[in-house]
Amino acid sequence: EDKVVQSPLSLVVHEGDTVTLNCSYEVTNFRSLLWYKQEKKAPTFLFMLTSSGIEKKSGRLSSILDKKELFSILNITATQTGDSAVYLCAVFSTPYNQGGKLIFGQGTELSVKP
Amino acid sequence: DGGITQSPKYLFRKEGQNVTLSCEQNLNHDAMYWYRQDPGQGLRLIYYSQIVNDFQKGDIAEGYSVSREKKESFPLTVTSAQKNPTAFYLCASSTGMVVENTEAFFGQGTRLTVV
Repeated sequence: EDKVVQSPLSLVVHEGDTVTLNCSYEVTNFRSLLWYKQEKKAPTFLFMLTSSGIEKKSGRLSSILDKKELFSILNITATQTGDSAVYLCAVFSTPYNQGGKLIFGQGTELSVKP
Repeated sequence: DGGITQSPKYLFRKEGQNVTLSCEQNLNHDAMYWYRQDPGQGLRLIYYSQIVNDFQKGDIAEGYSVSREKKESFPLTVTSAQKNPTAFYLCASSTGMVVENTEAFFGQGTRLTVV
């Protein structure tokens, strides 16, 4: 059964701290790994990773994928209260004869205190 | 504007009743997905569809049904067979499996409460 596991499930830090969120996966026919930020309702897209070892960056956020070890990390440096959200990891896979599907992990709830 | 529209935002249902959640997209996406989110949890896949008139069960399909008669629409019916239907439901769409870099876009969600 395909699965995506995130850790930790929740995290409380202070402004200025650096955090690392983890995502491991076991899926058939991996295509890509995606990170989303969910503040209230609809998740918003952060990164898509398809190749190992290539870091993607956007401001204070960065992410990297290891396809050999089947995991990804999302780093946030100099955290701000506005970073407080649930961070979701998802994997797009194409199981045989089932079409492509997008599977999510449980999410990491990040709380940044002033 | 292009996007995904879910309706209604809030829905109340009596036990034993079926209810249908709407999801419409004008992004010309082939793939559409339905997820359920419970408090403090991630998104669990209910059903997904890659093309019109075809759909696949996700991890928690029991008690739900879908149809894909049009590319733009992927309604989800929560039936009376679903034991714990109270949850937040999210619909998403993407360009589909044939495109390598596939980002999924989400609707604003429907919060269903069974009373």
